[in-house]
Amino acid sequence: QKEVEQDPGPLSVPEGAIVSLNCTYSNSAFQYFMWYRQYSRKGPELLMYTYSSGNKEDGRFTAQVDKSSKYISLFIRDSQPSDSATYLCAMHSSASKIIFGSGTRLSIRP
Amino acid sequence: ETGVTQTPRHLVMGMTNKKSLKCEQHLGHNAMYWYKQSAKKPLELMFVYSLEERVENNSVPSRFSPECPNSSHLFLHLHTLQPEDSALYLCASSPSGNEQFFGPGTRLTVL
Repeated sequence: QKEVEQDPGPLSVPEGAIVSLNCTYSNSAFQYFMWYRQYSRKGPELLMYTYSSGNKEDGRFTAQVDKSSKYISLFIRDSQPSDSATYLCAMHSSASKIIFGSGTRLSIRP
Repeated sequence: ETGVTQTPRHLVMGMTNKKSLKCEQHLGHNAMYWYKQSAKKPLELMFVYSLEERVENNSVPSRFSPECPNSSHLFLHLHTLQPEDSALYLCASSPSGNEQFFGPGTRLTVL
């Protein structure tokens, strides 16, 4: 079993829709959770960084962590064509290296 | 731009060539990383440097050789690579080992 599982997509939604991106993980020691956005031909860019369980909101983006289910989500409200990218989840504990998901390719149709 | 630059952006090399990838960060971070990104696979951590000391080497073949001469610069020396080494090589830096800031990557093709 992979430490971090992420559906590769592609996921295609119409402009304005709410997008839900998810990752599951197996290591209950993970405490730090991140979402990165990667545009084509660019490096990953940190979008959201959360510690432990709960929600964190930043503009149109909400990151949610459910440690009991070992499940994290990124919600994008009022999605825009400029949100089209690959989204990577990442996580680690204080004692471990960062583990990345394989990424979900998202396309927002105008 | 994240403040992490990488050169070259694209590189094509034969299996017998020797080349080097360069990474530079102007963020004052103490840790620097090399990652390999292949299609449809998770990012693979290759090397970690903290305060210019190598702290992690993830069973990377010896045909990849990192060098960190100071806290702002990181190199990846390449020699006798194989076609399966073709990938996007990403450099990152971090102030704390938590959030990482990535460069744009070097797209490497080995013929």
